[in-house]
Amino acid sequence: DAMVIQNPRYQVTQFGKPVTLSCSQTLNHNVMYWYQQKSSQAPKLLFHYYDKDFNNEADTPDNFQSRRPNTSFCFLDIRSPGLGDAAMYLCATSRGLADKETQYFGPGTRLLVL
Amino acid sequence: GQSLEQPSEVTAVEGAIVQINCTYQTSGFYGLSWYQQHDGGAPTFLSYNALDGLEETGRFSSFLSRSDSYGYLLLQELQMKDSASYFCAVVTGGFKTIFGAGTRLFVKA
Repeated sequence: DAMVIQNPRYQVTQFGKPVTLSCSQTLNHNVMYWYQQKSSQAPKLLFHYYDKDFNNEADTPDNFQSRRPNTSFCFLDIRSPGLGDAAMYLCATSRGLADKETQYFGPGTRLLVL
Repeated sequence: GQSLEQPSEVTAVEGAIVQINCTYQTSGFYGLSWYQQHDGGAPTFLSYNALDGLEETGRFSSFLSRSDSYGYLLLQELQMKDSASYFCAVVTGGFKTIFGAGTRLFVKA
């Protein structure tokens, strides 16, 4: 009965080799988020979707792209990973209700760049 | 700019009460959330305040004052398992969410 699923849990890639992380949800939530979290730091929002509306953070590098083909799935593409992109990548969802905003996080994908 | 401030570390003993404060400065405000994160785990939702006042959920309570741009998380009857990082997060327009740097809580026996 997992609600937010991320695959894979661990991903190793080579410097400059494109990688895609995936997230799926069974909650039928409107909003999906991608966060990057480095050790002992706060989750940093990369982008989020409200339904199909894509919202990119101003400081998210162009190297990071996202796709949401349908309500249930969202992907994070890193076109040319650098050593500095090694981090935990967290996907989260919410219904998008301003008076009851609750984000449900997936377990995360830990990315290692060699 | 947009910023949230919370203490970096708090230490308390089992059974005690601890309060973690959060002040924020953001453009746009829907509400203030609190999340708990254990080492190696994902954040889990604790509470959300959209309106001023106190929300209580079991041992945890959260307070918001919109006029003061201030909130806090209150943890009562502390247990060892409460040792974790606690993040406040502001939900702004369009459901953009900004997290504070986190407060590491150490609970001692």
